[in-house]
Amino acid sequence: AQSVTQLGSHVSVSEGALVLLRCNYSSSVPPYLFWYVQYPNQGLQLLLKYTSAATLVKGINGFEAEFKKSETSFHLTKPSAHMSDAAEYFCAVSDRLTGGGNKLTFGTGTQLKVEL
Amino acid sequence: EAGVTQFPSHSVIEKGQTVTLRCDPISGHDNLYWYRRVMGKEIKFLLHFVKESKQDESGMPNNRFLAERTGGTYSTLKVQPAELEDSGVYFCASSLRGTGINSPLHFGNGTRLTVT
Repeated sequence: AQSVTQLGSHVSVSEGALVLLRCNYSSSVPPYLFWYVQYPNQGLQLLLKYTSAATLVKGINGFEAEFKKSETSFHLTKPSAHMSDAAEYFCAVSDRLTGGGNKLTFGTGTQLKVEL
Repeated sequence: EAGVTQFPSHSVIEKGQTVTLRCDPISGHDNLYWYRRVMGKEIKFLLHFVKESKQDESGMPNNRFLAERTGGTYSTLKVQPAELEDSGVYFCASSLRGTGINSPLHFGNGTRLTVT
């Protein structure tokens, strides 16, 4: 069975500082990996996804994530935080063996707070 | 293109009552998913429709939950009778295809269910 662990349910950064949200996965084979963001009172929006084409994945709004097989990690980063980045972020996996379908296993989420 | 729409946005009911949640997917999306997030925990898969057929209902918690998708358009999720532990946010999502990494999920804003 696959699982995802997000370290830190709450992360606080200053505006302009580096954003680092951690995600580790457990899977018998390298899975497909995703980061979603949920802004207040909205649905989840896909930030980026890893499909094995490249280990460094660039997403929307300046975010990127690096797949590290040796560390079973897929941490999300952004060089400079903006106030508009304040939201909840979810890491998720899907099973490559079943074709990477949309039956996702999510982490518990990380609430990002950006301070002036 | 209209997004995934969920009704109601909030529902407060008493234990033992019945509640029906509705989801209208993006037009043309044959694949429809229900997910649920119980307070503070991860978002969990409930089930997957392909048109009007249940493709995978392995995540449904128990037989108090009934999902339907008559005609392959909108879907309803009924909880009867509701229990306290059913409180949470219920997300609906749709996709053009059910498998394949290039058919992303589009999420609705969710229905927040509170059972008192």
